[in-house]
Amino acid sequence: SYELTQPPSVSVSPGQTARITCSGDALPKKYAYWYQQKSGQAPVLVIHEDSKRPSGIPERFSGFSSRTMATLIISGAQVEDEADYYCFSTDISGNHRVFGGGTKLTVL
Amino acid sequence: QVQLVQSGAEVKKPGASVKVSCKASGYSFNDYYMHWVRQAPGQRLQWMGWINAGNGNTKYSQKFQDRITIIRDTSASTAYMELSSLRSEDTAVYYCAREEPLVSLFGSGRGMDVWGQGTTVAVSS
Repeated sequence: SYELTQPPSVSVSPGQTARITCSGDALPKKYAYWYQQKSGQAPVLVIHEDSKRPSGIPERFSGFSSRTMATLIISGAQVEDEADYYCFSTDISGNHRVFGGGTKLTVL
Repeated sequence: QVQLVQSGAEVKKPGASVKVSCKASGYSFNDYYMHWVRQAPGQRLQWMGWINAGNGNTKYSQKFQDRITIIRDTSASTAYMELSSLRSEDTAVYYCAREEPLVSLFGSGRGMDVWGQGTTVAVSS
């Protein structure tokens, strides 16, 4: 079955840039999506189609994808950005969607 | 405003089935996909399947293929997810989430931008 691989944790100080990666064999041909999930809450879409930011998401959130890796970038991370972040994509057939294992972002 | 309201918490015995509803409001229900995602305690998000609310076509994760059914009632703007043969490992919060379709070779949607509040399903003898 298809898998997306993320680092379990990333830690930065406030104001620093956080980078969260997601690797998958189909990413050169399939979009990556990124979701933020704070404790006890439903996920929130922060990046879609590799690099597009939904309305209402702060400009410090950006994304890009190159070869087999998608990256979520939080420029000038804030304490309120502490959350679990999940990438989401599909296998090359387009039929099987999957979340990555999630990355816990700590900002302190 | 756009919202998805899910049915209330459920407690089920092993072997039983559960049916969770997701009522949409504030947008054209038929124009979107509806996904179902679950999260067991302390675990990752897990995609279960989706339905094209317009034509009723479905796709299911291989992990749940034999046990899941997703349907929709367009007159009630409501999607339903039924999971059968429940076991303790199915204890989780179940979410519905809408997605706008996208015509592209790189993906079929614009991301799950509105989520329900979640429904807790506990499976215990």
